[in-house]
Amino acid sequence: ELKVEQNPLFLSMQEGKNYTIYCNYSTTSDRLYWYRQDPGKSLESLFVLLSNGAVKQEGRLMASLDTKARLSTLHITAAVHDLSATYFCAVDAGNQFYFGTGTSLTVIP
Amino acid sequence: GAVVSQHPSWVICKSGTSVKIECRSLDFQATTMFWYRQFPKQSLMLMATSNEGSKATYEQGVEKDKFLINHASLTLSTLTVTSAHPEDSSFYICSASDNYPYEQYFGPGTRLTVT
Repeated sequence: ELKVEQNPLFLSMQEGKNYTIYCNYSTTSDRLYWYRQDPGKSLESLFVLLSNGAVKQEGRLMASLDTKARLSTLHITAAVHDLSATYFCAVDAGNQFYFGTGTSLTVIP
Repeated sequence: GAVVSQHPSWVICKSGTSVKIECRSLDFQATTMFWYRQFPKQSLMLMATSNEGSKATYEQGVEKDKFLINHASLTLSTLTVTSAHPEDSSFYICSASDNYPYEQYFGPGTRLTVT
């Protein structure tokens, strides 16, 4: 069974600080996705990473994929309160599609 | 663009009844649609994938006869929870794509409560 683990599960950080969320997965895949979910809401697609070494940036968020290490990172630069949400990575391994455990991010003013 | 709607947004039903949830792509033709469920404060679990005109592909552990999925057109997929029980209470989210794996667009979700 494909396992997708995120670290940390909970993150509280001050505005203006930088931090990285990690997403590790257990099988070969070059399809990885990052999503944001606000409380009580559905998902918003953030990034689609479809090859080894892929790096994408949008605003204060940057995502990367290392398929050899089976690792993706979501880097937050100079966090602002509006980034408070739960972030999920998801992996498509062909016949399996799994979401990570989620990282609940709280940005403190 | 790329808007996906779900109806209803929330529903309460009695144990033993069936509930149908609709997922529509409003401004594009969705060749592939996905159904997920999410329990409170947990991650999402893919239930099934459906392509227009084909039978849905269910994930392991998801009961096909209990969760009926129909993808009758390029803009509509339905999930019917048959003989619902309290343990089926969950947040059900659909997504749709016209170019998977490049993108999938999520609906707003349907909160189902079975009493």
